[in-house]
Amino acid sequence: RKEVEQDPGPFNVPEGATVAFNCTYSNSASQSFFWYRQDCRKEPKLLMSVYSSGNEDGRFTAQLNRASQYISLLIRDSKLSDSATYLCVVAGVGDSNYQLIWGAGTKLIIKP
Amino acid sequence: DAGVTQSPTHLIKTRGQHVTLRCSPISGHKSVSWYQQVLGQGPQFIFQYYEKEERGRGNFPDRFSARQFPNYSSELNVNALLLGDSALYLCASSLDSGINQPQHFGDGTRLSIL
Repeated sequence: RKEVEQDPGPFNVPEGATVAFNCTYSNSASQSFFWYRQDCRKEPKLLMSVYSSGNEDGRFTAQLNRASQYISLLIRDSKLSDSATYLCVVAGVGDSNYQLIWGAGTKLIIKP
Repeated sequence: DAGVTQSPTHLIKTRGQHVTLRCSPISGHKSVSWYQQVLGQGPQFIFQYYEKEERGRGNFPDRFSARQFPNYSSELNVNALLLGDSALYLCASSLDSGINQPQHFGDGTRLSIL
């Protein structure tokens, strides 16, 4: 089992719709979680950290479910510019401390 | 303010050669991390350096090495290149080595091995 797993997609979503995707992680001791966004052939950029109580940043909402070991990202009122690959990132623990462990990403395509 | 800068942007090498990739962090950032990203995959952690010392190492062979200089810039060296080393190599800087620090990425070096 991979340490961080994501549905690769692509998710094809009409503009204005709401879309959500999850990411599962294997190490129950993990404490820090992030969503990054990566545009085609560009570098990843931090979208948001994920806090235990869930957090919102404009149209984006991130949630953490420790019991089931997954985090989620919800995008409301999607824009064409939201088309990108969304990478789930989990901070390593134990021997993997100091490491960020990355999922392979979920590709999102917003269609007009 | 300049972001993270990496050089070169593109590089073509042949099997068996070695390569040196360079990274300059954001001014004031003392931690540099290196990642390898193969097409269709997420970045894979290679090294983290903080205050010129290695703080973490991913699951990569000894052909991969790195160092950090007093000005916090960093080099990644790869010896005896293999076809499978073809990837985008990303450098990220952060204020310190704390795992919760946001990482700021450079544009990457696209390495192709022929």
